[in-house]
Amino acid sequence: AQKVTQAQTEISVVEKEDVTLDCVYETRDTTYYLFWYKQPPSGELVFLIRRNSFDEQNEISGRYSWNFQKSTSSFNFTITASQVVDSAVYFCALGNYGGATNKLIFGTGTLLAVQP
Amino acid sequence: DVKVTQSSRYLVKRTGEKVFLECVQDMDHENMFWYRQDPGLGLRLIYFSYDVKMKEKGDIPEGYSVSREKKERFSLILESASTNQTSMYLCASSSPGLAGGPDEQYFGPGTRLTVT
Repeated sequence: AQKVTQAQTEISVVEKEDVTLDCVYETRDTTYYLFWYKQPPSGELVFLIRRNSFDEQNEISGRYSWNFQKSTSSFNFTITASQVVDSAVYFCALGNYGGATNKLIFGTGTLLAVQP
Repeated sequence: DVKVTQSSRYLVKRTGEKVFLECVQDMDHENMFWYRQDPGLGLRLIYFSYDVKMKEKGDIPEGYSVSREKKERFSLILESASTNQTSMYLCASSSPGLAGGPDEQYFGPGTRLTVT
């Protein structure tokens, strides 16, 4: 069975702190894809990153970085020097390879509150 | 700019009513999805469609049906609304994906449905 676990329900930090959001996944597939989405208070989920299982290189995009480790089945997301605008619910998701439907399995999300 | 629109942001219906939630995308995407989002449960897939008139059940299809008569429009139908269907409903669309892997999904702003 496929599963995504985001054990951190809520995180509160003060602006300019670094924060890491954890994501642990379960799958029997050897080829799979991982995603992160951001859901700001407005409600619309925004795509952040897509990573396939063959690419274990860490990725950095501005203040955002992602650490993919197959050995621990984790795909963690770090925000450096957090800002109030980073306050949102963040979802990690898992998708499998093949098929026409491209379904994703989402974790339960982590609510990040960045205090000024 | 890509766009997924949903017919209502907020909706209040009575128990037993038939409810239609509409979703339209302008990206010519083959895949469309309906999710419900509840606190602590993340996003759960209700139904998805990978082509016009094609549909498949997701993880929680009971009490719901869908219709996709045109490529750009995907409707979610609550045949007889019940209070346990009070939730946030999110529509998404995606292309078939690159090299067999799932492409990112684009989400609408959501419809917060209250059934009284």
